[in-house]
Amino acid sequence: EAGVAQSPRYKIIEKRQSVAFWCNPISGHATLYWYQQILGQGPKLLIQFQNNGVVDDSQLPKDRFSAERLKGVDSTLKIQPAKLEDSAVYLCASLLDMNTEAFFGQGTRLTVV
Amino acid sequence: GENVEQHPSTLSVQEGDSAVIKCTYSDSASNYFPWYKQELGKGPQLIIDIRSNVGEKKDQRIAVTLNKTAKHFSLHITETQPEDSAVYFCVASEGTGANNLFFGTGTRLTVIP
Repeated sequence: EAGVAQSPRYKIIEKRQSVAFWCNPISGHATLYWYQQILGQGPKLLIQFQNNGVVDDSQLPKDRFSAERLKGVDSTLKIQPAKLEDSAVYLCASLLDMNTEAFFGQGTRLTVV
Repeated sequence: GENVEQHPSTLSVQEGDSAVIKCTYSDSASNYFPWYKQELGKGPQLIIDIRSNVGEKKDQRIAVTLNKTAKHFSLHITETQPEDSAVYFCVASEGTGANNLFFGTGTRLTVIP
């Protein structure tokens, strides 16, 4: 079974630039999450999708972050404009339903300089 | 929201010895407690989980205990091997599965050959 795919693996941008990350969840997984993992910390939830609808985006800094999941499959997370404190690994996770395990992708490491 | 505290932040053991990681959580509504292992450059991977109706669960060299009254849960790894070296995260969730996961700060385990 293919895992959660994320791209790119690494990205370096200057502050105030924009960046987008892409996630392809495991086939058939209705729930998709984006997490932010700052170096030395545990992942923190940014947004949760159920199919193509947003379930929880209370932790998403909406003035600069946006996310969408068109057609309930792939998802993109965008940051515009980026700040230095956005440097982190952005993890995507998917699960079949609320009673099952969450599978994480390898993440995208963002460095803002 | 839920607050998960994890100790120690780093742990070094000799190969063959046991390792214990302890966590506390704040929200009595949390019912699902997975543990994730994260190797360098990879996303977190589920290694074991426990639900609130169970006090202890074991899977080969790994065991977890849960004390709902005290809001404590622990991970025990016996007969440690070098490949156990990684960062381990304890997690709490209010759902019956991986819904809205709250991660601890992580424990970097090093197994010395």
